[in-house]
Amino acid sequence: AQKITQTQPGMFVQEKEAVTLDCTYDTSDPSYGLFWYKQPSSGEMIFLIYQGSYDQQNATEGRYSLNFQKARKSANLVISASQLGDSAMYFCAMRPSRGGGNKLTFGTGTQLKVEL
Amino acid sequence: DAGVTQSPTHLIKTRGQHVTLRCSPISGHKSVSWYQQVLGQGPQFIFQYYEKEERGRGNFPDRFSARQFPNYSSELNVNALLLGDSALYLCASSSQYTDTQYFGPGTRLTVL
Repeated sequence: AQKITQTQPGMFVQEKEAVTLDCTYDTSDPSYGLFWYKQPSSGEMIFLIYQGSYDQQNATEGRYSLNFQKARKSANLVISASQLGDSAMYFCAMRPSRGGGNKLTFGTGTQLKVEL
Repeated sequence: DAGVTQSPTHLIKTRGQHVTLRCSPISGHKSVSWYQQVLGQGPQFIFQYYEKEERGRGNFPDRFSARQFPNYSSELNVNALLLGDSALYLCASSSQYTDTQYFGPGTRLTVL
């Protein structure tokens, strides 16, 4: 079974500052993918970034980067230069390798509030 | 290109009724997955369909069923609704070439 743990129910950050959202995971699968999604109050889940378990380099997508530490089983999301529009719920998720189906397992989320 | 679309946006039903939710995937995506998100929690996997066949099922009762059509759109059906079925139902699609699932705006179901 797979499990995602997000220990920060809520986070505050000042505009233009960087913020790190924590995610740890547990799995017995040798190959897996890790994802971060953003969910504004409207409800839609917006894909941000993906990291494959065998990727040698940490993933980056614009202001988002994923700090992947495989030995620690952590996949923290770093948002640089925070903007007011970044205020939302953020979910970490994982899925097994292709042979394991398409099921995403989500954490409980972190509510990020960006302040002026 | 259009993203994943879902209908209806909101729905109010009473206990014991039946509901059908609809989803159209991104053009070219053959896989559709359904998730239930109860208030304050992360989404929970319900079903995955690929090429009209069920490829995965989460820990949900038989009151939940789904199907995928030849055009890859999908329906989620829930029978004998319970108060606890009140949730945001999310549909996601993915292609056979990537691991990433793209979500629709969701259907917010309220059971009274």
